Amino acid sequence: DTEVTQTPKHLVMGMTNKKSLKCEQHMGHRAMYWYKQKAKKPPELMFVYSYEKLSINESVPSRFSPECPNSSLLNLHLHALQPEDSALYLCASSRAELYGGAGTYNEQFFGPGTRLTVL
Amino acid sequence: TQLLEQSPQFLSIQEGENLTVYCNSSSVFSSLQWYRQEPGEGPVLLVTVVTGGEVKKLKRLTFQFGDARKDSSLHITAAQPGDTGLYLCAGAYFSGNTPLVFGKGTRLSVIA
Repeated sequence: DTEVTQTPKHLVMGMTNKKSLKCEQHMGHRAMYWYKQKAKKPPELMFVYSYEKLSINESVPSRFSPECPNSSLLNLHLHALQPEDSALYLCASSRAELYGGAGTYNEQFFGPGTRLTVL
Repeated sequence: TQLLEQSPQFLSIQEGENLTVYCNSSSVFSSLQWYRQEPGEGPVLLVTVVTGGEVKKLKRLTFQFGDARKDSSLHITAAQPGDTGLYLCAGAYFSGNTPLVFGKGTRLSVIA
């Protein structure tokens, strides 16, 4: 099973709303990622969790707040977003957060994404 | 600075033609991954190449990792409309806590 699931598939929210994106994997992966992808661009990394601890925050505004309740779940809490935050939000996981010399350990498997529209 | 250069950016071909997509860098990678993404969906991992000079085949798709581990190519034989999509390469560095580096992608359209 190489499936990463994400909910919801689509989300429309106002700038004053609070919402959450959810991601789940049951592959036993210990690294999980949030990416943001704008149209016709590659994914941009936002956060990395390794063994349930935040290891990378790519200078993301505080209106995005990640949470990793356990090794299978990853949330992204959204508050006071701006229209320019509208994008496809992708979750990914890998066996481990090993970026060197470990072959396929850093293969990332992506979920289907949440299409977020901020009005 | 774009660390992984993908070319071409756009490619529109007829069904049955062959094509090659290139991913080049001045950096050395420990491994390189190729993904295919359809509009509104997440990228799907096609293959990971980890050894310099390695060639991997996936049906009509052939992936190659350069001997110096700085470049890779994806060759599609007899393209079909179902091959249409965005092809992304992503490289992993040998050292440091550095995330995957993505190329900008190649948008392929195969016309029946």
